[in-house]
Amino acid sequence: DQQVKQNSPSLSVQEGRISILNCDYTNSMFDYFLWYKKYPAEGPTFLISISSIKDKNEDGRFTVFLNKSAKHLSLHIVPSQPGDSAVYFCAAGSNAGGTSYGKLTFGQGTILTVHP
Amino acid sequence: NAGVTQTPKFQVLKTGQSMTLQCAQDMNHNSMYWYRQDPGMGLRLIYYSASEGTTDKGEVPNGYNVSRLNKREFSLRLESAAPSQTSVYFCASRSEPGSTGELFFGEGSRLTVL
Repeated sequence: DQQVKQNSPSLSVQEGRISILNCDYTNSMFDYFLWYKKYPAEGPTFLISISSIKDKNEDGRFTVFLNKSAKHLSLHIVPSQPGDSAVYFCAAGSNAGGTSYGKLTFGQGTILTVHP
Repeated sequence: NAGVTQTPKFQVLKTGQSMTLQCAQDMNHNSMYWYRQDPGMGLRLIYYSASEGTTDKGEVPNGYNVSRLNKREFSLRLESAAPSQTSVYFCASRSEPGSTGELFFGEGSRLTVL
C-alpha cells in the first residue's frame, strides 16, 4: 500500500526552464509534507516543507504547492539549473497520533535531469 | 559538526552471515530512524526510535533488529543476511518525533548480500 506516490520516475528539462515534480498521497492523516533532494552516493538532504494549513511555501527558486482536496503536492523549481539534477523525494508525516505518529513516509523518487 | 555518521559505508556479505550497521548523531536529537532505499521503492522505514529506550517497527522490519544504545547511537543488525536485504541503508535523526522538522540523514551504507 503506497501511501505516497511519485508517478513520474524521471523528468528532463532545459536549463532556465521550470521543473515541476508531482506527488500524490492517500492518507488523509498526513498533515505536513517535505521534499528531499538526493545526489548519488550521498544521503537525502532537506529542501522545503509545507504544513497542511498552507497551500504554498516558497524558498528562493523552490516553491511547494499543496492541494489538500486532491491530496496532491508539487515542487516547482524556477529557473532550473544543471546543479539541480538529482533524485527528488516527497515525504509526508502526521502529528495526529496513532501508528503514523512521528514517521515520515516517502515516495519512490523522481530523477530530475537539467540539461545545459 | 558531523551530523549523522554511519559505518561501514560499504559491506559485502554472504547469505546467512550477520552484521551490524552503526549510526551516531551529534545533534542531541531524540528520534532516530533506519530506512532502506531500493530502486523504484523509494525510502522505506525499517525501525525507528522515538526516544532513548524505545524502539518500534516500521514498514519493513522483518529480518532486522535494532538497539538504541544511548541518545546518540542507533544500530541495525542483520542476524542472517539474505539477498533480498541487498540495499542502501540510511540512518536519520530528528529533534522530536512529533515535530514538523526535517530528518537529517547519514551518507548511507551500501550492503550487498551474495
